[in-house]
Amino acid sequence: AQTVTQSQPEMSVQEAETVTLSCTYDTSESDYYLFWYKQPPSRQMILVIRQEAYKQQNATENRFSVNFQKAAKSFSLKISDSQLGDAAMYFCAFPNFGNEKLTFGTGTRLTIIP
Amino acid sequence: ETGVTQSPTHLIKTRGQQVTLRCSSQSGHNTVSWYQQALGQGPQFIFQYYREEENGRGNFPPRFSGLQFPNYSSELNVNALELDDSALYLCASSLAPGQGAGELFFGEGSRLTVL
Repeated sequence: AQTVTQSQPEMSVQEAETVTLSCTYDTSESDYYLFWYKQPPSRQMILVIRQEAYKQQNATENRFSVNFQKAAKSFSLKISDSQLGDAAMYFCAFPNFGNEKLTFGTGTRLTIIP
Repeated sequence: ETGVTQSPTHLIKTRGQQVTLRCSSQSGHNTVSWYQQALGQGPQFIFQYYREEENGRGNFPPRFSGLQFPNYSSELNVNALELDDSALYLCASSLAPGQGAGELFFGEGSRLTVL
């Protein structure tokens, strides 16, 4: 069974600084997507960034980027120029039995310090 | 464009009762997935519905059941409620399996408390 591990229950960062959230996963598949989702205090989960495993180039979405190491099964999220609105729970997710059936990690609570 | 809406937002039940949660999918989406998120945990996949049929199920007992209607809205039913069923239940809609590259659009959830 695929597993997703987030080893940092909580992280904090000063506003405008950079922070990296870690995620490791286990799979025997060779082609798949990986996702980072954000869940703000209002609870609605939104997609932050998506990486296709067959692409060697790391995905980037504005201030958000990933460091994808396929051999190491590592998928970290880097947030640059952190803003107060980035405060949320961040979940790493891996598709289980299809791209829309996700296995989520336990999450990392990110606090932004003004 | 209408987003994913869920009802009710909060509800309290007692052990042994039954509950029905409802979800309206985002416009243009025909696939609905349900997740259970216990306090302090990540969401866990319950099941997915596509074209009114169950299309995959996680490790949940049969007392968790669902429906999808022709307008793509969906219901999650839980029978014989147990204390451990207390959680946030999230509905997510998406394009047809394989078409959306895995992007899910979530509602704000229904918070169920079982006493």
